[in-house]
This record gives sequence, C-alpha cells and structure tokens, in this order.
Amino acid sequence: DVQLTQSPSFLSASVGDRVTSTCRASQGIRSYLAWYQQKPGKAPKLLIYAASTLQSGVPSRFSGSGSGTEFTLTISSLQPEDVATYYCQQINYYPVTFGGGTKVEI
Amino acid sequence: EVQLVESGGGVVHPGGSLRLSCAASGFTFSDHYMDWVRQRPGKGLEWLGRIRTKPNRYNTEYAASVRGRFTISRDDSSNSLFLQLNSLTTEDTAFYFCTRRGPNGPNDYWGQGTLVIVSS
Repeated sequence: DVQLTQSPSFLSASVGDRVTSTCRASQGIRSYLAWYQQKPGKAPKLLIYAASTLQSGVPSRFSGSGSGTEFTLTISSLQPEDVATYYCQQINYYPVTFGGGTKVEI
Repeated sequence: EVQLVESGGGVVHPGGSLRLSCAASGFTFSDHYMDWVRQRPGKGLEWLGRIRTKPNRYNTEYAASVRGRFTISRDDSSNSLFLQLNSLTTEDTAFYFCTRRGPNGPNDYWGQGTLVIVSS
C-alpha cells in the first residue's frame, strides 16, 4: 500500500499567516493527489485534486503543488474559518489511502 | 443539489452484523463509482472500498482491513448504496461515510456519516 506521511501533525498560527502542510508518498503517485478539509463534526470537503487544481468554490488562498512523492498544501493567508484538519489522499493505486492529517489551529 | 444521506448505524455486539445504507440524490447515481470511508473517533480517514458502475460490471475494491468481512453493493434503480458489515469487532467502531467518486477522481461529495458502535 502507498503510505502517505503528513507533516506537521499539528500547527498553530495567527490570522494572516502563510501555512503549509507537506504530504510525502512512499512511492511515486504522479499527480494523483487530493487535499481535503475537515472541520469538527463535519464530513471532509474536497479542496484540491490532481495535486494543484482548486475544486470549484474553494477560496483562492488555498493552493497545492508537487508531483511524484512530495506534495504541499498552502494557505496563503490563514483565516479563522480555516481551523480544521487537512488530509491528503492518493488515488493512483488501490487501495486508496489517506495521510494522517495536519490539524490547524489559531 | 447533490445529497448523500447515510443510515443504519447503531450499537452492535462484537461478532455481529449491520447493514448501512446511503440514499443519493441530485445527480445521476448510476454514472458514478461510489466509496465508503470511515473515521474512528478522534482518528483519521480510512478508505474502505469502492463499487464501480454497471458498464464496469459493478466490480469492487476493498481495503485489506475489511476484505472478506465487508461487502459493498448498490441498487441503481433506487439510487442507493449499501455496506454490509459482518464479524464486527470493537476496532470497527467509527463514523461511516458514503462518498461519490467525482469525474476527476477524488471524492467530491460526502454524506454526513453514520455512527457504528461495536460494544458488548
């Protein structure tokens, strides 16, 4: 199975900060990586797919980059409503796998 | 508006069985692969499996952790997805989400989840 390692597992930042979550895959997955946001008590929400394509309706402060084994999710200016846990997901191989998550607090 | 609504969760004894349902609306259900994902309380997301569409013979894929115990099925005539859970253990206690595989590959719509508690 493809293991996805996210770092950091937790980060605390201030409103307006630029924050980054990194996702490393145990083997190459081309650009078949998605990012999700999950707020407490809610279902995950798709933010980015194909490593860098923003899902419709997602604010432009969110961006993704990378290919192969290393990927990054960036929030350019952290907002209070961005408090959540962020997960990466690979869909290049079965089984589909998720990273362990980055919890973002303010 | 796309909606996915899970039901069927509850409390079950170890070794027991449960059948979860997911009612889909707002899109052409029969055109989409559908997945189940679970989340143990306070933990991360775990993909459980997928069912393909009729042109793809309704073929399924499963995570190793549930293969042979869980079965995914669908009824396109009623826009419903199902997850049969057998031989349950306490490790299966989790929220279970029904989710649509979108046209670009990832899961673009999710239900609100249904809670399964396995306890004696």
